[in-house]
Amino acid sequence: GESVGLHLPTLSVQEGDNSIINCAYSNSASDYFIWYKQESGKGPQFIIDIRSNMDKRQGQRVTVLLNKTVKHLSLQIAATQPGDSAVYFCAEKDMRFGAGTRLTVKP
Amino acid sequence: DGGITQSPKYLFRKEGQNVTLSCEQNLNHDAMYWYRQDPGQGLRLIYYSQIVNDFQKGDIAEGYSVSREKKESFPLTVTSAQKNPTAFYLCASSAIRDSWGAVSPLHFGNGTRLTVT
Repeated sequence: GESVGLHLPTLSVQEGDNSIINCAYSNSASDYFIWYKQESGKGPQFIIDIRSNMDKRQGQRVTVLLNKTVKHLSLQIAATQPGDSAVYFCAEKDMRFGAGTRLTVKP
Repeated sequence: DGGITQSPKYLFRKEGQNVTLSCEQNLNHDAMYWYRQDPGQGLRLIYYSQIVNDFQKGDIAEGYSVSREKKESFPLTVTSAQKNPTAFYLCASSAIRDSWGAVSPLHFGNGTRLTVT
């Protein structure tokens, strides 16, 4: 079946730097994508979503970019803080999740 | 405060016993979901329900059963037929879902960690 995956399992950044987390999807008919953040021992929390009629959506310190041509999503976190350390998942409309990227922020 | 409550947080069972995990939501959401998460892994969909008295198998439904008798509740039973039941189980709900999937974000509970020995 269709799946959503991630390019890298881990990402380490310096506090204050920007982070970019990538995600590839295989279903070209997908029209809704969501990013979640999961802290240790907790359930995932919604960060931001985007529909396929948009290329970019901004939230507070986060931006999601959607490239439908290459079926790629990215989550950009500006001025990364220690509290951003977590596992980040992308999901598409059918609510299948990739393995996640573990973001570690170094002080 | 609206949200999803999963209980208990930790659950221990002996091999061969069935166990039921509780999930309650007061968000008035129609759709509910169960996921399994193994260490260092992503979430895998077990079952979902779009409406009361209806539910569908996800990718790894074997060895699990669910019921949806009330809108607020979606309990998951891990049966003795599930070969590797030890895992972190997550319940979620969403406000809107169409035939092809969710069209609003999922709200998750904080999970139940099941250990079977």
